[in-house]
Amino acid sequence: DAKTTQPNSMESNEEEPVHLPCNHSTISGTDYIHWYRQLPSQGPEYVIHGLTSNVNNRMASLAIAEDRKSSTLILHRATLRDAAVYYCILADSGGYQKVTFGTGTKLQVIP
Amino acid sequence: EPEVTQTPSHQVTQMGQEVILRCVPISNHLYFYWYRQILGQKVEFLVSFYNNEISEKSEIFDDQFSVERPDGSNFTLKIRSTKLEDSAMYFCASSPGPHWETQYFGPGTRLLVL
Repeated sequence: DAKTTQPNSMESNEEEPVHLPCNHSTISGTDYIHWYRQLPSQGPEYVIHGLTSNVNNRMASLAIAEDRKSSTLILHRATLRDAAVYYCILADSGGYQKVTFGTGTKLQVIP
Repeated sequence: EPEVTQTPSHQVTQMGQEVILRCVPISNHLYFYWYRQILGQKVEFLVSFYNNEISEKSEIFDDQFSVERPDGSNFTLKIRSTKLEDSAMYFCASSPGPHWETQYFGPGTRLLVL
């Protein structure tokens, strides 16, 4: 599986934008970039995913570098409810039928 | 909004006993998964299931584990002879398409093996 690298932790002030980076320098052409988050004591929750183009949904935006070797999850206005561990995951559409979670970035939102 | 449900929410068992963890995936989903998360550690893939058969499994998913879709709604994970190290949160997930599409996770079953 292609691996991802994320900072262990980040802080953000409430109501400010948050940019969560992810490096995936060994990404292949068939890898989709997914972001999930896990709130305390809950199961992972889908946030957003993309292949090549930037993506927006009601939760967040995903900015994908032109060479696809990195991506950034953007939360436009952090709320206390956004405090969670954020996972950047590569899902290979051409290979193994599994998704591998890393250690993620623990986001702390400061009131 | 449809969601994945799991029962029980908590299970305590004695080492060596069999446990069955149950999941009801979202009704029109075709792909099903089990993951586990040992306390304080990362989420680990166990198995994926499609068309009534295992499509992928990890090295964790050894002979003591099995999965089944006994009817049109339930998806179960059986651990035949539990070990202390099986204590973890077990998450079920489902997706309408293959694994590179969105997976919807259940709230988990916390298993404690004594």
